[in-house]
Amino acid sequence: QQQVKQSPQSLIVQKGGISIINCAYENTAFDYFPWYQQFPGKGPALLIAIRPDVSEKKEGRFTISFNKSAKQFSLHIMDSQPGDSATYFCAEPPGGNNRLAFGKGNQVVVIP
Amino acid sequence: GAVVSQHPSRVICKSGTSVKIECRSLDFQATTMFWYRQFPKQSLMLMATSNEGSKATYEQGVEKDKFLINHASLTLSTLTVTSAHPEDSSFYICSARDHWGYEQYFGPGTRLTVT
Repeated sequence: QQQVKQSPQSLIVQKGGISIINCAYENTAFDYFPWYQQFPGKGPALLIAIRPDVSEKKEGRFTISFNKSAKQFSLHIMDSQPGDSATYFCAEPPGGNNRLAFGKGNQVVVIP
Repeated sequence: GAVVSQHPSRVICKSGTSVKIECRSLDFQATTMFWYRQFPKQSLMLMATSNEGSKATYEQGVEKDKFLINHASLTLSTLTVTSAHPEDSSFYICSARDHWGYEQYFGPGTRLTVT
């Protein structure tokens, strides 16, 4: 199922630093690129998503950037806080339908 | 808005018994719901797509007779794990798709432990 590849697998960032995680995709027909945030023992929650007609979208400290030529989209967490420590998943639909196939996740740990 | 609930949040059952997990969209109608399974420190694996009023579509390798899905209304889908075995112990998460877009809203998950 997994057609999106996430990197790095894990990331440790100092409080106040910038966390950057990446997602490489294959399905060029897709027009929706989401990032989900999951805390241990909880269901994932949609954090931010982008359509390919824009290159960047910002919501608070979270910015998603899209690079169509590289088939990659990234999540930047500015001023990272310990509360941002979570696993982040990107997703794309396999075969172009509305199902979502999730990547393996990026574990982000923000240390005080 | 877009709240999805699951019940129960945790369940422990004996091997060979069946367990039913409910997924409800609380403030919107969901014609499509999805069921995922997640093992510790792993990704979400889609098990099946549940469509209101029709049979569920299962992903390759998922036993439809073992994981029974019913989507009887626009706000409720149920997953029944039949004849559960310890290897079925996992975190089961449902999601509901907004009718208008791609966004999926996830429930809080159900931790199933089979002893």
